[in-house]
Amino acid sequence: DGGITQSPKYLFRKEGQNVTLSCEQNLNHDAMYWYRQDPGQGLRLIYYSQIVNDFQKGDIAEGYSVSREKKESFPLTVTSAQKNPTAFYLCASSEAGTGGAYEQYFGPGTRLTVT
Amino acid sequence: QKEVEQNSGPLSVPEGAIASLNCTYSDRGSQSFFWYRQYSGKSPELIMFIYSNGDKEDGRFTAQLNKASQYVSLLIRDSQPSDSATYLCAVRGIKAAGNKLTFGGGTRVLVKP
Repeated sequence: DGGITQSPKYLFRKEGQNVTLSCEQNLNHDAMYWYRQDPGQGLRLIYYSQIVNDFQKGDIAEGYSVSREKKESFPLTVTSAQKNPTAFYLCASSEAGTGGAYEQYFGPGTRLTVT
Repeated sequence: QKEVEQNSGPLSVPEGAIASLNCTYSDRGSQSFFWYRQYSGKSPELIMFIYSNGDKEDGRFTAQLNKASQYVSLLIRDSQPSDSATYLCAVRGIKAAGNKLTFGGGTRVLVKP
């Protein structure tokens, strides 16, 4: 089955610790994205990548870092510099290019709680 | 002004009725428009997308786009209790590098039996 997997589903960390969220896709999509969702809110873009070894900051990149060493994988690290990291984190992927709809498909999400 | 605006709801709809959801956007050059459904605690799932003015139908769902007025709407016909969810509107602007989408805050829909 083609799809996007995220792990773990729930993650608990102490304040001051870095934590890495996993995102893997087997849809052969070039583009991958990380979003953050807070309760009752829409999605806000953290980072995105259109091709391996290249990525760009989204609207709320401060306190986060990413890597894109493989087409299938786009891990997100939430660093201790992120002031309010507790949220629902969603990974998405899409085809890349111009002139098309390039709809994004989402993984199941990781719910991070930092205390 | 937010880039993509939706009424947060809840929109309460009797079972079998039509639910009408609206979304307005500020970037006049926006190209593609998406509707996602998100159940509580779950990730968004794509319902449909539209990029030409007019209506696009898919089963019980119809998306309507009016670029001149900068709004896109979603109609859900014969609403079912299983349609109770938050519906997210997303827009790809003309300046959107990397196929970035901008999301509205979502409209919560409650279908009452």
